[in-house]
Amino acid sequence: DGGITQSPKYLFRKEGQNVTLSCEQNLNHDAMYWYRQDPGQGLRLIYYSQIVNDFQKGDIAEGYSVSREKKESFPLTVTSAQKNPTAFYLCASSMDKGNQPQHFGDGTRLSIL
Amino acid sequence: AQSVAQPEDQVNVAEGNPLTVKCTYSVSGNPYLFWYVQYPNRGLQFLLKYITGDNLVKGSYGFEAEFNKSQTSFHLKKPSALVSDSALYFCAVNRETDSWGKLQFGAGTQVVVTP
Repeated sequence: DGGITQSPKYLFRKEGQNVTLSCEQNLNHDAMYWYRQDPGQGLRLIYYSQIVNDFQKGDIAEGYSVSREKKESFPLTVTSAQKNPTAFYLCASSMDKGNQPQHFGDGTRLSIL
Repeated sequence: AQSVAQPEDQVNVAEGNPLTVKCTYSVSGNPYLFWYVQYPNRGLQFLLKYITGDNLVKGSYGFEAEFNKSQTSFHLKKPSALVSDSALYFCAVNRETDSWGKLQFGAGTQVVVTP
Protein backbone atom coordinates (compact mmCIF):
# COMPACT_ATOMS: atom_id res chain seq x y z
CA ASP A 1 0.00 0.00 0.00
CA GLY A 2 1.21 3.50 -0.79
CA GLY A 3 1.54 5.95 2.03
CA ILE A 4 3.66 8.08 4.30
CA THR A 5 5.65 6.62 7.17
CA GLN A 6 6.84 8.73 10.06
CA SER A 7 9.22 7.43 12.71
CA PRO A 8 9.58 7.20 15.58
CA LYS A 9 6.05 7.60 16.91
CA TYR A 10 7.36 8.98 20.23
CA LEU A 11 10.65 10.81 20.77
CA PHE A 12 12.29 12.38 23.80
CA ARG A 13 14.88 15.11 23.63
CA LYS A 14 17.41 16.14 26.24
CA GLU A 15 18.53 19.72 26.73
CA GLY A 16 21.05 20.81 24.09
CA GLN A 17 20.38 17.81 21.88
CA ASN A 18 19.44 17.75 18.21
CA VAL A 19 16.92 15.11 17.15
CA THR A 20 15.84 14.00 13.68
CA LEU A 21 12.34 12.93 12.69
CA SER A 22 12.02 10.62 9.72
CA CYS A 23 9.44 10.92 6.92
CA GLU A 24 9.32 8.54 3.96
CA GLN A 25 6.70 8.36 1.18
CA ASN A 26 6.13 5.86 -1.62
CA LEU A 27 3.39 7.81 -3.37
CA ASN A 28 5.77 9.28 -5.96
CA HIS A 29 4.77 12.77 -4.83
CA ASP A 30 6.98 15.70 -5.72
CA ALA A 31 5.99 17.98 -2.82
CA MET A 32 6.55 17.29 0.87
CA TYR A 33 5.74 19.30 3.98
CA TRP A 34 6.40 19.44 7.74
CA TYR A 35 3.83 20.80 10.18
CA ARG A 36 3.83 21.39 13.90
CA GLN A 37 0.59 20.88 15.81
CA ASP A 38 0.03 22.34 19.27
CA PRO A 39 -3.26 22.03 21.19
CA GLY A 40 -5.76 24.64 20.06
CA GLN A 41 -3.47 26.06 17.36
CA GLY A 42 -4.13 23.87 14.37
CA LEU A 43 -1.29 23.16 11.93
CA ARG A 44 1.66 25.48 11.41
CA LEU A 45 3.97 24.99 8.43
CA ILE A 46 7.66 24.52 9.28
CA TYR A 47 9.30 23.70 5.93
CA TYR A 48 8.17 22.52 2.51
CA SER A 49 9.84 21.14 -0.59
CA GLN A 50 8.54 21.06 -4.14
CA ILE A 51 11.45 19.13 -5.62
CA VAL A 52 14.57 17.21 -4.68
CA ASN A 53 17.45 19.38 -3.41
CA ASP A 54 15.18 22.37 -2.90
CA PHE A 55 13.13 23.46 0.13
CA GLN A 56 11.58 26.62 1.52
CA LYS A 57 10.93 27.98 5.00
CA GLY A 58 7.39 27.99 6.24
CA ASP A 59 5.85 30.13 8.94
CA ILE A 60 7.86 28.79 11.92
CA ALA A 61 11.21 27.54 10.54
CA GLU A 62 13.44 28.92 13.33
CA GLY A 63 15.12 26.13 15.28
CA TYR A 64 14.44 23.52 12.60
CA SER A 65 16.33 22.23 9.55
CA VAL A 66 15.48 19.85 6.70
CA SER A 67 17.07 18.11 3.73
CA ARG A 68 15.63 16.65 0.53
CA GLU A 69 18.29 14.44 -1.02
CA LYS A 70 15.79 11.87 -2.31
CA LYS A 71 12.27 12.24 -3.63
CA GLU A 72 10.98 9.75 -1.09
CA SER A 73 12.53 11.26 2.03
CA PHE A 74 12.20 14.58 3.88
CA PRO A 75 13.75 14.36 7.37
CA LEU A 76 13.27 17.14 9.92
CA THR A 77 15.91 18.02 12.51
CA VAL A 78 14.79 19.80 15.66
CA THR A 79 17.87 21.65 16.85
CA SER A 80 18.83 22.81 20.32
CA ALA A 81 17.92 26.34 19.17
CA GLN A 82 14.23 25.35 19.27
CA LYS A 83 13.45 26.21 22.90
CA ASN A 84 9.92 24.84 22.96
CA PRO A 85 9.99 21.68 20.84
CA THR A 86 7.27 19.75 22.65
CA ALA A 87 4.57 19.18 20.00
CA PHE A 88 3.03 16.74 17.56
CA TYR A 89 4.90 16.80 14.22
CA LEU A 90 3.14 15.85 11.00
CA CYS A 91 4.68 15.14 7.62
CA ALA A 92 2.64 15.32 4.40
CA SER A 93 3.12 14.94 0.67
CA SER A 94 1.16 15.86 -2.43
CA MET A 95 1.23 15.96 -6.18
CA ASP A 96 2.76 19.23 -7.30
CA LYS A 97 -0.64 20.60 -8.30
CA GLY A 98 -2.89 23.02 -6.45
CA ASN A 99 -6.05 20.95 -6.81
CA GLN A 100 -4.62 17.81 -5.18
CA PRO A 101 -4.99 16.96 -1.49
CA GLN A 102 -2.09 16.44 0.87
CA HIS A 103 -1.58 12.98 2.34
CA PHE A 104 -0.41 12.78 5.95
CA GLY A 105 1.65 10.42 8.05
CA ASP A 106 0.59 9.44 11.56
CA GLY A 107 2.91 11.88 13.27
CA THR A 108 5.75 11.95 15.79
CA ARG A 109 5.15 13.21 19.31
CA LEU A 110 8.24 14.96 20.65
CA SER A 111 8.70 15.65 24.36
CA ILE A 112 11.44 17.15 26.51
CA LEU A 113 13.16 14.97 29.12
CA ALA B 1 -3.07 36.32 1.23
CA GLN B 2 -5.42 33.38 1.59
CA SER B 3 -7.01 32.45 4.90
CA VAL B 4 -9.52 30.06 6.39
CA ALA B 5 -11.79 30.57 9.40
CA GLN B 6 -13.54 27.88 11.39
CA PRO B 7 -15.69 29.94 13.75
CA GLU B 8 -16.57 27.15 16.19
CA ASP B 9 -13.93 25.57 18.43
CA GLN B 10 -16.33 22.74 19.26
CA VAL B 11 -19.60 21.37 17.93
CA ASN B 12 -21.76 19.10 20.08
CA VAL B 13 -24.44 16.93 18.51
CA ALA B 14 -26.49 13.93 19.55
CA GLU B 15 -26.09 10.71 17.60
CA GLY B 16 -28.56 10.52 14.73
CA ASN B 17 -28.89 14.29 14.43
CA PRO B 18 -27.53 16.34 11.52
CA LEU B 19 -23.95 17.56 11.84
CA THR B 20 -22.62 20.82 10.37
CA VAL B 21 -19.08 22.15 10.69
CA LYS B 22 -18.62 25.68 9.39
CA CYS B 23 -15.79 27.06 7.24
CA THR B 24 -15.33 30.40 5.53
CA TYR B 25 -12.40 31.37 3.33
CA SER B 26 -10.69 34.36 1.81
CA VAL B 27 -8.65 34.08 -1.38
CA SER B 28 -8.02 36.14 -4.46
CA GLY B 29 -9.41 34.26 -7.43
CA ASN B 30 -11.14 30.89 -7.43
CA PRO B 31 -10.52 28.60 -4.45
CA TYR B 32 -9.67 24.94 -4.14
CA LEU B 33 -11.25 23.78 -0.86
CA PHE B 34 -10.58 20.69 1.23
CA TRP B 35 -11.88 19.00 4.40
CA TYR B 36 -9.80 16.70 6.60
CA VAL B 37 -10.53 14.71 9.77
CA GLN B 38 -8.06 13.86 12.54
CA TYR B 39 -8.51 11.20 15.20
CA PRO B 40 -6.41 11.34 18.41
CA ASN B 41 -2.69 10.74 17.88
CA ARG B 42 -3.19 10.19 14.15
CA GLY B 43 -2.47 12.16 10.99
CA LEU B 44 -5.08 14.03 8.98
CA GLN B 45 -7.31 12.01 6.65
CA PHE B 46 -8.67 13.59 3.48
CA LEU B 47 -12.51 13.68 3.34
CA LEU B 48 -13.45 15.67 0.25
CA LYS B 49 -12.55 18.58 -2.01
CA TYR B 50 -14.18 21.23 -4.16
CA ILE B 51 -12.36 22.19 -7.34
CA THR B 52 -15.08 23.24 -9.77
CA GLY B 53 -18.54 22.17 -10.92
CA ASP B 54 -21.42 21.18 -8.63
CA ASN B 55 -21.59 23.15 -5.42
CA LEU B 56 -22.50 20.03 -3.42
CA VAL B 57 -19.54 17.71 -3.04
CA LYS B 58 -19.80 14.19 -1.64
CA GLY B 59 -16.93 12.55 0.19
CA SER B 60 -15.93 9.70 2.45
CA TYR B 61 -17.93 8.25 5.40
CA GLY B 62 -21.21 9.90 4.33
CA PHE B 63 -19.89 13.46 4.56
CA GLU B 64 -20.71 16.18 2.06
CA ALA B 65 -19.91 19.87 1.76
CA GLU B 66 -21.63 22.78 0.10
CA PHE B 67 -19.62 25.45 -1.69
CA ASN B 68 -21.22 28.91 -1.57
CA LYS B 69 -19.28 31.47 -3.58
CA SER B 70 -21.34 34.50 -2.56
CA GLN B 71 -20.90 33.70 1.14
CA THR B 72 -17.33 32.40 0.66
CA SER B 73 -18.24 29.34 2.68
CA PHE B 74 -17.62 25.60 2.47
CA HIS B 75 -19.56 23.98 5.31
CA LEU B 76 -19.16 20.27 6.04
CA LYS B 77 -22.35 18.29 6.65
CA LYS B 78 -23.54 14.84 7.57
CA PRO B 79 -27.25 14.02 7.71
CA SER B 80 -27.02 11.62 10.66
CA ALA B 81 -24.01 11.78 12.98
CA LEU B 82 -22.37 8.72 14.55
CA VAL B 83 -20.43 8.53 17.81
CA SER B 84 -17.45 7.46 15.70
CA ASP B 85 -17.56 10.85 13.92
CA SER B 86 -16.19 12.44 17.10
CA ALA B 87 -12.87 13.91 15.95
CA LEU B 88 -11.06 17.12 14.98
CA TYR B 89 -12.03 18.55 11.59
CA PHE B 90 -9.92 20.90 9.46
CA CYS B 91 -10.88 23.03 6.47
CA ALA B 92 -8.12 24.07 4.03
CA VAL B 93 -7.85 26.29 0.94
CA ASN B 94 -5.58 26.77 -2.05
CA ARG B 95 -5.92 29.09 -5.00
CA GLU B 96 -6.70 28.08 -8.55
CA THR B 97 -3.79 30.21 -9.70
CA ASP B 98 -1.35 28.38 -7.44
CA SER B 99 0.43 25.71 -9.41
CA TRP B 100 1.15 23.43 -6.50
CA GLY B 101 -0.29 22.09 -3.29
CA LYS B 102 0.62 24.42 -0.43
CA LEU B 103 -2.55 24.65 1.67
CA GLN B 104 -3.77 27.15 4.26
CA PHE B 105 -5.49 25.31 7.14
CA GLY B 106 -8.13 26.53 9.57
CA ALA B 107 -7.62 26.15 13.31
CA GLY B 108 -9.85 23.09 13.49
CA THR B 109 -13.24 22.26 15.00
CA GLN B 110 -13.65 19.54 17.61
CA VAL B 111 -16.80 17.49 16.98
CA VAL B 112 -18.34 15.63 19.92
CA VAL B 113 -21.17 13.21 19.15
CA THR B 114 -23.00 11.91 22.23
CA PRO B 115 -24.91 8.62 22.30
